[in-house]
Amino acid sequence: DAGITQSPRYKITETGRQVTLMCHQTWSHSYMFWYRQDLGHGLRLIYYSAAADITDKGEVPDGYVVSRSKTENFPLTLESATRSQTSVYFCASTSAGTANEKLFFGSGTQLSVL
Amino acid sequence: DQQVKQNSPSLSVQEGRISILNCDYTNSMFDYFLWYKKYPAEGPTFLISISSIKDKNEDGRFTVFLNKSAKHLSLHIVPSQPGDSAVYFCAASAYNAGNMLTFGGGTRLMVKP
Repeated sequence: DAGITQSPRYKITETGRQVTLMCHQTWSHSYMFWYRQDLGHGLRLIYYSAAADITDKGEVPDGYVVSRSKTENFPLTLESATRSQTSVYFCASTSAGTANEKLFFGSGTQLSVL
Repeated sequence: DQQVKQNSPSLSVQEGRISILNCDYTNSMFDYFLWYKKYPAEGPTFLISISSIKDKNEDGRFTVFLNKSAKHLSLHIVPSQPGDSAVYFCAASAYNAGNMLTFGGGTRLMVKP
């Protein structure tokens, strides 16, 4: 089905481990984003990408790495997970022209770092 | 320092009555505002938006009001329905900041039958 999908849905890991969260969209949207949702903070932008091979930092990029070799995929890697990275992670996408119009979000990945 | 604030973490309303969700912002460069709705275990979905050149935008039961001088916007839902029970996020963007969205902390709305 068309849309934006995230995997895994739930992930439990230990501090210091590397974790990769996957995001795939079928709309060929140029813009893709990674947000984390924490109580009291709402959604905070981690990284975004305006097109394949173009990525940029958001509000809270430390401890995260992204890549975008193909338009449809935008994986997020935690190189060495910390407890403070326990959160719900949302991937989003939107079409070219403007980055603020009507983001389409995935269902999220709930990550617990023990 | 949060540039977009939703000071009410939760709101409870009776079915059929009006729900008013509030949002304040501090960055005077914000020129576009959006509301997103989020159900449990789902991603947020776009609800309604407003440009800074307007002070009101309406879409069915949902109306967003913008008061630029007060740096305040509100979302009105009339009449409220139990299916409106969700978390509502206010978001804002500025053209000179690459149009990246800044979100508020969210307000959980509960509509009681």
